[in-house]
Amino acid sequence: DAKTTQPTSMDCAEGRAANLPCNHSTISGNEYVYWYRQIHSQGPQYIIHGLKNNETNEMASLIITEDRKSSTLILPHATLRDTAVYYCIVMGRDDKIIFGKGTRLHILP
Amino acid sequence: KAGVTQTPRYLIKTRGQQVTLSCSPISGHRSVSWYQQTPGQGLQFLFEYFSETQRNKGNFPGRFSGRQFSNSRSEMNVSTLELGDSALYLCASSLTEDTEAFFGQGTRLTVV
Repeated sequence: DAKTTQPTSMDCAEGRAANLPCNHSTISGNEYVYWYRQIHSQGPQYIIHGLKNNETNEMASLIITEDRKSSTLILPHATLRDTAVYYCIVMGRDDKIIFGKGTRLHILP
Repeated sequence: KAGVTQTPRYLIKTRGQQVTLSCSPISGHRSVSWYQQTPGQGLQFLFEYFSETQRNKGNFPGRFSGRQFSNSRSEMNVSTLELGDSALYLCASSLTEDTEAFFGQGTRLTVV
């Protein structure tokens, strides 16, 4: 079973920051938080991952709370091409990826 | 650098037949995982291979099998196809067992 809880869907206006929350209250000390997204009819795409520090790359930022029980993926300037299902995954070393239902993000023009 | 390549992209088979799907990982990647995606069940893990050894297996019947070759290319086989096996089958590769995975475009299998 997936170890994360995400809202089923979210809307965000084009050009605004999209903030996608994820709860992972049972995360253990050696487990990472990964984010993937899946645009319709394509394979999932890796976005970012982190352990306990905030992370940023060219696609997004990942904010992990101090207790590591939740995190937020931030897309700083959402575009229509960011419309996708976003999956938050908790995974330790040697673990297989278990996908939950994800959040369906709609970017509104 | 070329991404994960899955062949064929689309496949139509009849019930009772068997099918083999192929996955070529990113060059240098040694871990390959397979997933089934259906509208009802979402993305479900099938199995994972690393250095030609199956390391993890999901909850699928024995009709689903796989293997990995010395060049890290992987195949999955489904025997005695059922209508419910119609799905998008995705392959992901990663450098090692605990680095981020990159997915291919998938093979869409339709069983009629």
